[in-house]
Amino acid sequence: GQNIDQPTEMTATEGAIVQINCTYQTSGFNGLFWYQQHAGEAPTFLSYNVLDGLEEKGRFSSFLSRSKGYSYLLLKELQMKDSASYLCAVDPGNTGGFKTIFGAGTRLFVKA
Amino acid sequence: KAGVTQTPRYLIKTRGQQVTLSCSPISGHRSVSWYQQTPGQGLQFLFEYFSETQRNKGNFPGRFSGRQFSNSRSEMNVSTLELGDSALYLCASSSRVTNEQFFGPGTRLTVL
Repeated sequence: GQNIDQPTEMTATEGAIVQINCTYQTSGFNGLFWYQQHAGEAPTFLSYNVLDGLEEKGRFSSFLSRSKGYSYLLLKELQMKDSASYLCAVDPGNTGGFKTIFGAGTRLFVKA
Repeated sequence: KAGVTQTPRYLIKTRGQQVTLSCSPISGHRSVSWYQQTPGQGLQFLFEYFSETQRNKGNFPGRFSGRQFSNSRSEMNVSTLELGDSALYLCASSSRVTNEQFFGPGTRLTVL
């Protein structure tokens, strides 16, 4: 089956660092996405990891371990505007094109 | 470059009716994917179209269908609406060059 697990909610303080974990079990794997979604808005792309390791993009970093079926999104220097849902998604890659499987999302609350 | 547009933004229908939603991808993008987002189930993949052909399909009943036109615009249709079809329907387009999907603002469908 296809399964993606991530925590339902997290709370962190402005200026701090938070790590959002994601574990997956899918029939195939081409890569892993992270999206940010503010309430009432469409998801926006944050990162796409194909190879093991850490990829950094400004205040956001994403890590992937294919052998462990594990990824995390690291947010540094948290700002109030980072309060949003963070969606982990897998491209199973066993078909041509997209058939992205999304996790339920992690709602992050950033408090002052 | 204009983003992904979806029409209508909001729709109210009654059980048993049918509905057609429209999505215009970013210019030059040939892949259009449709997703259903509900609070309980999260983002679920409906189908993907590429060059007027359905390339991938999720696990939704046959009441959900779609098509893509030669200009890459896509429509999805839901027939015999049920209360459980109330959701945010998102479409996303991609050039498949960067694996990034760009989401539209969504159509919020309410079935009464």
